[in-house]
Formats: sequence, C-alpha cells, structure tokens
Amino acid sequence: AQKITQTQPGMFVQEKEAVTLDCTYDTSDPSYGLFWYKQPSSGEMIFLIYQGSYDQQNATEGRYSLNFQKARKSANLVISASQLGDSAMYFCAMIWALSSGYSTLTFGKGTMLLVSP
Amino acid sequence: DAMVIQNPRYQVTQFGKPVTLSCSQTLNHNVMYWYQQKSSQAPKLLFHYYDKDFNNEADTPDNFQSRRPNTSFCFLDIRSPGLGDAAMYLCATSRETSGVTDTQYFGPGTRLTVL
Repeated sequence: AQKITQTQPGMFVQEKEAVTLDCTYDTSDPSYGLFWYKQPSSGEMIFLIYQGSYDQQNATEGRYSLNFQKARKSANLVISASQLGDSAMYFCAMIWALSSGYSTLTFGKGTMLLVSP
Repeated sequence: DAMVIQNPRYQVTQFGKPVTLSCSQTLNHNVMYWYQQKSSQAPKLLFHYYDKDFNNEADTPDNFQSRRPNTSFCFLDIRSPGLGDAAMYLCATSRETSGVTDTQYFGPGTRLTVL
C-alpha cells in the first residue's frame, strides 16, 4: 500500500538560514507524483511544489526546491533563506492512480516549522 | 484571481443540528473534493465529484452527504453532527482526476465547532 512518512514532528530554524524537511514514501507503482503543501495557522493548504516520478530534474519554485532521490524513495523539501512567514505546518503528499481510473492524494502527518528571528 | 472559496470560515452548530458548508470555485475545474482535518492530523478525503459523478470514500460515515448543483459550487451536508465531527473541513479542486500530475488547490477551510 502507498504510504507517506514525515519523521520530523517539528523543526526550528533561524531566519535567513536554509532548512530541509524530510519525506519518504512507499509505492510499487512506477507512475506517481509528489507534492508539498504549506498550512499556516489560518488553515488554508497552499500548494508549494510538485515532482513527477519520471521527472529527471529536481523541481524548484522560488525559494523551494525538492530533493528527489527516487532510489531512496525520498522527496525532501528544501527552503532556502527562511522567513518568519514560513512558520507553518508542511505536508508531503503523494498522488497515484487507483484501479478505478481515478487518482488519489495521500498526505503525511506533517512537520511543524518554526522560524525564529 | 481564480480561487477556491469556502463559506463560512467558522461555523458553530449544536449536537444533532444539520449543518451545510459551502464551497465555490472560479478555476472551472472538473473535480471538487471534501476533506476532513482534525486537530494535528493530516487531511482525510471524504468524497469527490468528477463533474456530476459522485465518489464516496469507503469509510466516510453516512452522516456526511454532498451536493454539486453546478460546476462552480459544491456543498457538504452533515445531517446530525456529533462532537467527533468538530474539525476543519477543506474543499479542493483539480482539473482532472485521472493522472498523477493533477494538482489539488484548496480553499481556506471551514472550522466547525459542535456544542
């Protein structure tokens, strides 16, 4: 069965430093996608970055990059130059296709990131 | 800006009193989803609509129903809320639901309190 694991319940980082949030996944399907979402205390889930299983290059979006290591089944999020506004819960999620033809998204348990001045 | 809107942002209801949560989208996406997220947990999918085709998750309680009268709107009805239904309810949309590149875009959520 497909599974997403985030082993860090909480992470602390100082403003302007880089931080890596860990995510490992388990699937036997060759075709899947990996997402990172940010959820501030207000509750909205904000899409950050996407990586497809067949993508050769690591995805990047501004200060966010995804360190995709397919053989290790890991998809870590790297945030460069942390800002106070980055303090939030971060969820790793995986999408794959069901036998019904629909695809489904499964979330990890999340990592709470706190950025200090 | 194209977006997903949820109303109300906060809803208080009484035990057993039916409640309806609303979601609308200006993205013109085919798929709309409802998730339940309890405190300090990951979102859990309740059901989704692909156009007018309704798809219920196997473990979604019968107490939860949904309606999608048109492309833009989707409603979550909780027929008899219990204390255990207090949660954040997130609506999301995606263009399609048949591939592994379909990004889901979420609304701001409705936080439901049951007294």
